Amino acid sequence: SQKIEQNSEALNIQEGKTATLTCNYTNYSPAYLQWYRQDPGRGPVFLLLIRENEKEKRKERLKVTFDTTLKQSLFHITASQPADSATYLCAPEDNYGQNFVFGPGTRLSVLP
Amino acid sequence: DGGITQSPKYLFRKEGQNVTLSCEQNLNHDAMYWYRQDPGQGLRLIYYSQIVNDFQKGDIAEGYSVSREKKESFPLTVTSAQKNPTAFYLCASTLGGESNQPQHFGDGTRLSIL
Repeated sequence: SQKIEQNSEALNIQEGKTATLTCNYTNYSPAYLQWYRQDPGRGPVFLLLIRENEKEKRKERLKVTFDTTLKQSLFHITASQPADSATYLCAPEDNYGQNFVFGPGTRLSVLP
Repeated sequence: DGGITQSPKYLFRKEGQNVTLSCEQNLNHDAMYWYRQDPGQGLRLIYYSQIVNDFQKGDIAEGYSVSREKKESFPLTVTSAQKNPTAFYLCASTLGGESNQPQHFGDGTRLSIL
């Protein structure tokens, strides 16, 4: 069955550095993958979607890569700020191509 | 502003009681979804509906029921058959039901057992 893993439960980095979060999936090949941000007690907010034929997608300080050979997506935040502190969820398309499967999330803390 | 409204924000259930969580959207989206979120776990799909008067079970539908009588509303009932209902419940919608579209989420309902 499909399985989604995110590199670590928590990640601490210094302000101004680049944060890199990892999402790995197994046992299937999704055509789309999304990344969301979730703040405590709030619903997730959509950030980026990347398609299997796109190697990279950028939006302001955010960059997402999608390596279908490694079955992995990387999510980068450059010049990180304390306001970037949140939990980040990856969500590949499910193996039926109908819905999304959410990973457990990585809690990012950007320290001033 | 368009968006998804979930109510109540906090809900307490007594043993043997059914409770209903409200989800309303004014985005004119066709598809709506219910997820459950537990600490340290990803969102798990309970039910989804791609069109009015039609809905499908997700991965963990047992102990839950839904209805979709109006496009803008998708209430979730947590029945007494759901033995571990304590969780954060999230409602979402997409413009269509395709998997290449972003989901818009409400701010959730936190359900606890008395």
